[in-house]
Amino acid sequence: NAGVTQTPKFQVLKTGQSMTLQCAQDMNHEYMSWYRQDPGMGLRLIHYSVGAGITDQGEVPNGYNVSRSTTEDFPLRLLSAAPSQTSVYFCASNTRGRPFEQYFGPGTRLTVT
Amino acid sequence: SQQGEEDPQALSIQEGENATMNCSYKTSINNLQWYRQNSGRGLVHLILIRSNEREKHSGRLRVTLDTSKKSSSLLITASRAADTASYFCATAERGANSKLTFGKGITLSVRP
Repeated sequence: NAGVTQTPKFQVLKTGQSMTLQCAQDMNHEYMSWYRQDPGMGLRLIHYSVGAGITDQGEVPNGYNVSRSTTEDFPLRLLSAAPSQTSVYFCASNTRGRPFEQYFGPGTRLTVT
Repeated sequence: SQQGEEDPQALSIQEGENATMNCSYKTSINNLQWYRQNSGRGLVHLILIRSNEREKHSGRLRVTLDTSKKSSSLLITASRAADTASYFCATAERGANSKLTFGKGITLSVRP
């Protein structure tokens, strides 16, 4: 199993540009989440999904969209990038059977200039 | 808002010594977990302790939970240089539908 994969690993955007961070998992996990990690802030939940077709907002959802059309994929879209969105983004997944033990991807480091 | 708050923020010890890290939280929880993050990598789950448990062991890890004080501690015994990483506690609130709230993390440095 590849586990949770994220692409790209690094990305530089200009203010106002849009892009999609990709996340995929091959563990057949029902739940998937997106976090951002900023220095001194720990991880903050952006959006999460408890199954295909179901998404909900986390702590810091503004400026981001998600959709979950398949169990495997959970892309995160930045609609109009802002410097405040410079961060490291992590995708995570977990199974309904062990709902709280999350598996994390390697992260995407995003810089918005 | 941050649920878990780790203490200390940074810890430096000699290889072979024990490392103790603490976490405090605010609300009622279903369980508390500890994760490790090596530099530039994703988080890795270490151990989970449920709200009705007081102590749990996994290899060189020992975690305790005191729900009356809303606190947990992670003990790493006989530390190794490879234990150098950031450690995060994460809490799952009751009825929170799998959402985890992470603390800001503790940076552990183990000197060879």
